[in-house]
Parts: sequence; structure tokens; C-alpha cells
Amino acid sequence: SQQGEEDPQALSIQEGENATMNCSYKTSINNLQWYRQNSGRGLVHLILIRSNEREKHSGRLRVTLDTSKKSSSLLITASRAADTASYFCATHSGYSTLTFGKGTMLLVSP
Amino acid sequence: NAGVTQTPKFRVLKTGQSMTLLCAQDMNHEYMYWYRQDPGMGLRLIHYSVGEGTTAKGEVPDGYNVSRLKKQNFLLGLESAAPSQTSVYFCASMRTLGETQYFGPGTRLLVL
Repeated sequence: SQQGEEDPQALSIQEGENATMNCSYKTSINNLQWYRQNSGRGLVHLILIRSNEREKHSGRLRVTLDTSKKSSSLLITASRAADTASYFCATHSGYSTLTFGKGTMLLVSP
Repeated sequence: NAGVTQTPKFRVLKTGQSMTLLCAQDMNHEYMYWYRQDPGMGLRLIHYSVGEGTTAKGEVPDGYNVSRLKKQNFLLGLESAAPSQTSVYFCASMRTLGETQYFGPGTRLLVL
């Protein structure tokens, strides 16, 4: 069953705008990861945030984690057309596997 | 390093035929995974392995078998393909527990 659920399912913005995607999960986690998938390609890891961290930055990416609300958000600042992709959150709960959400499709128009 | 590679990239099967998908990684990772991705369903775990010689069932294992005879390879077999197995299959590997997964480029399978 899906642990992480992304919101919204789809997001359409203009270049230069910020994009925010949210992920909610159900059980306690060790870490939460965000991945990007360009059309027809494999997933690429973006950022990992541990359960004892509240915020993490990587370039134009900002991830927050609120364990009390069991939610995370991914912010992409100053979006570019090349950011067009699907974005997935994945949770690690101490087992040997990650549990992926269904993803948010982001379209960035020039 | 090639990372994670998958063979073949695309395959068409008839119902009832069998085939094997090969995943190879050159990063000396312990953990390997097979997922399938269907529209609107996200990634669903089929089988996984926590080390050479081990395999375990994931969320949707029925109709598939796997083997990990060598640490760098993880094979996914379909004994008798069904149209419901039409999907894109991704392999992934991970160095150790809780770290990031590295994905292959995917295999598109169409079962007629």
C-alpha cells in the first residue's frame, strides 16, 4: 500500500515561479526522500531529510519535514522548463524498502 | 561507472510466453529492487534482495520470480506472461539500509 501521498497530482506554472509539492505519510519514518522522474526515464534522487531534521536545502530545492503532521514539502524556486517532470516522495521506516507515493506531475511553461 | 543498467529496453510478448529481465549494477550495492510503474499507480515493489543469494516478496509479487546469484545482478522472470503485466519495469540498487536508491532506465514490456 502507498505510504506517501503527494499533493497536488498535477501542477502547471510559468518559468520563474516557485513550485511547491506536498507529501503526507501514515507511519513513523527514519527518513523521507524526494525523487524526480523525467518522462520515460528512471527516477533520480534529489534530496534526503532525516526524521530529526526540519529543513534541508540543495541548490534551488528546499525540503521541510513536519513529523508531528506526518508531512513534507518540496519547494523548487525560480522554476525552469527543464524542471518539468514527475516528483515522488519516498519514506523509509526502518525496513529494507522504500515506499513511494504516486507522484506530482510538474509542468513548467516558458 | 555505468550505474544501474537494464536489459532489454523494450520487449513485446504474447500471452503465455516467458522472459527474463536483467538488472546489473557496478556500485557493489547490497540491496536491489524490482518495481513496476503503471499510469496513476506510482511505483509498486515486486521483489527485492538484501544481498547475494537472498530474495524477498514486495507488494505485488504474483506472477514474477527473481534470483540474485551474483551480487551485481538481479534477474526478474515472468514464467507465463499476462496482459496485466504490461508495464514499465524499473530496477534499483542501494548501498545500505536507509540510503538513496539508484534507478536503471527502465524496461517497457507489452504483453499482447
